[in-house]
Amino acid sequence: EIVMTQSPATLSVSPGERATLSCRASQSVSSNLAWYQQKPGQAPRLLIYGASTRATGIPARFSGSGSGTEFTLTISSLQSEDFAVYYCQQYNNWYTFGQGTKLEIK
Amino acid sequence: EVQLVESGGGLVQPGRSLRLSCAASGFTFDDYAMHWVRQIPGKALEWVSGISWSYGPTAYADSVKGRFTISRDNAKNSLYLQMNSLRAEDTALYYCAKEGRVGVVSYWGQGTLVTVSS
Repeated sequence: EIVMTQSPATLSVSPGERATLSCRASQSVSSNLAWYQQKPGQAPRLLIYGASTRATGIPARFSGSGSGTEFTLTISSLQSEDFAVYYCQQYNNWYTFGQGTKLEIK
Repeated sequence: EVQLVESGGGLVQPGRSLRLSCAASGFTFDDYAMHWVRQIPGKALEWVSGISWSYGPTAYADSVKGRFTISRDNAKNSLYLQMNSLRAEDTALYYCAKEGRVGVVSYWGQGTLVTVSS
């Protein structure tokens, strides 16, 4: 079973600043990596797939990078609606989710 | 419009069984793989099980292997999760999820809550 490890667990950033979230896979998942955003009481929302492709309707301030075992989600200029929990997910071998990064207002 | 409606959750005693259902509409059900994902409130998402578009391959998280069985009925546009030998740690909100063309989850249901407690 592929293990996904996200860091940090909590990230405190001020609106307008950049946020960088990391995700590591226990073995290579190629580019089969997705990022989801989840707000309280809501189902997750797909942001990025294929490690770097934005899903339909996702603003350009969200970008993803990486391949193999190391991945990054960058939010270039944080808006108030971006404060949420973010999960990475591998889909190279069925699915595994990371434990999440909570992005909170500093 | 794609809709996924879960049902079957509730309060159950440890060691007992429960069967979850997911009614799908708004897309050609037998064209897509489907999954169950669970989440303890306030905690992380956990993939539970998946089933291919046909009646073929299935897979399970190690935490449920041997206790849970995923199935689908393409004629009824329905997905199921048979959960046996339930444990307190199975308590969670269970989401039905539709896999998209690129392999990730494209749609989620609203979830059905399973509580395992005596």
